[in-house]
Amino acid sequence: QKEVEQDPGPLSVPEGAIVSLNCTYSNSAFQYFMWYRQYSRKGPELLMYTYSSGNKEDGRFTAQVDKSSKYISLFIRDSQPSDSATYLCAMSASGNFNKFYFGSGTKLNVKP
Amino acid sequence: GAVVSQHPSRVICKSGTSVKIECRSLDFQATTMFWYRQFPKQSLMLMATSNEGSKATYEQGVEKDKFLINHASLTLSTLTVTSAHPEDSSFYICSARPHLLAGGTDTQYFGPGTRLTVL
Repeated sequence: QKEVEQDPGPLSVPEGAIVSLNCTYSNSAFQYFMWYRQYSRKGPELLMYTYSSGNKEDGRFTAQVDKSSKYISLFIRDSQPSDSATYLCAMSASGNFNKFYFGSGTKLNVKP
Repeated sequence: GAVVSQHPSRVICKSGTSVKIECRSLDFQATTMFWYRQFPKQSLMLMATSNEGSKATYEQGVEKDKFLINHASLTLSTLTVTSAHPEDSSFYICSARPHLLAGGTDTQYFGPGTRLTVL
């Protein structure tokens, strides 16, 4: 079983839709949770960072962490064609030298 | 803030030559830098983790003599692909992790990537 599972998609939605992206994980020691956006032929860009459980909102983006279910989500409101990209979740346990674990990425296509 | 640069962005070389890729954290100190490889339409594949002043830790299956990593300072890491062959053609991405004790969040900031083509 992989440490982090993420549906690869592709996920296709119309402009303006609410998008829900999800990851599940197996390691209860994970404390730090991240979402990255990667456009084609570019490096991943950090979108959201969450420590432990709870919600975090930044503009049209909301990150949720449910540690009891080992489940994290990224919601995108009022999706735009410019949101079309691959979204990667990542997580790590506490400590300076622990590894990061990435999901395989979900490809999102927002149609105008 | 939290900008990571990578140079060059694109390189084409002949088979058998060596190529050096630089990764710099521009506005923070990074005790740890990571090197990834990404094939088209695939996710990131971690190649190695380097901590400043110590030898890099390579992932299983990654040849350390072929992919030389030097983490010379808290802001610079280099990856040298030695005796490159066409199968080494790929997108190489570095990332940098701010030091936790300095109040930074435990995350990684990625560079823009380097596209290597070996003819």
